[in-house]
Amino acid sequence: AQKITQTQPGMFVQEKEAVTLDCTYDTSDQSYGLFWYKQPSSGEMIFLIYQGSYDEQNATEGRYSLNFQKARKSANLVISASQLGDSAMYFCAMREGPRSNFGNEKLTFGTGTRLTIIP
Amino acid sequence: EAQVTQNPRYLITVTGKKLTVTCSQNMNHEYMSWYRQDPGLGLRQIYYSMNVEVTDKGDVPEGYKVSRKEKRNFPLILESPSPNQTSLYFCASSWLGRRGHTDTQYFGPGTRLTVL
Repeated sequence: AQKITQTQPGMFVQEKEAVTLDCTYDTSDQSYGLFWYKQPSSGEMIFLIYQGSYDEQNATEGRYSLNFQKARKSANLVISASQLGDSAMYFCAMREGPRSNFGNEKLTFGTGTRLTIIP
Repeated sequence: EAQVTQNPRYLITVTGKKLTVTCSQNMNHEYMSWYRQDPGLGLRQIYYSMNVEVTDKGDVPEGYKVSRKEKRNFPLILESPSPNQTSLYFCASSWLGRRGHTDTQYFGPGTRLTVL
């Protein structure tokens, strides 16, 4: 089974509208971390937002928020008031297991959603 | 500025010619890792390191070597590159242990490698 599932290969959204990018995850660990990264056409991976499995509040970073529904194993990214510069690939990723000083901090990535903002 | 740097950003080489992709971070992170990104396969971990002289294999280590002689540097070595190693490579770093909000990995800008 896929550990990270992003079911929207591509999305087109009108500028200034809000957009939700879906992400579901699969893990048996109680402690884990969820991340969203943005990859513009230039190729770099830009960190957007992080949610820990024990964090009670949904994470927010400026126009980005993470709609964390633990029981549903869902971690959707919400971008408010989209801008042309938001056009990019977006990846959801998960780090499984509790953080420690001895563990592999490997991230498992989904296949991504290509977001295109229409002027 | 806190950052992860990689060099070169682009490289075209031929089969069998040894190459090294450098990675350096200025955040004093203990943990560093290499990923490769291929269409339809997402990002997959090649090797990782938890500190100086501590390295281990990730999911796709075949054909690669790494070293960690200094905390800030984590070079990726391809002793005898082959065309199936054509890919986009990312170096990433983070702290070890939980630090709450700073529990994130920072990625370098990527190295696009083509092996002919």
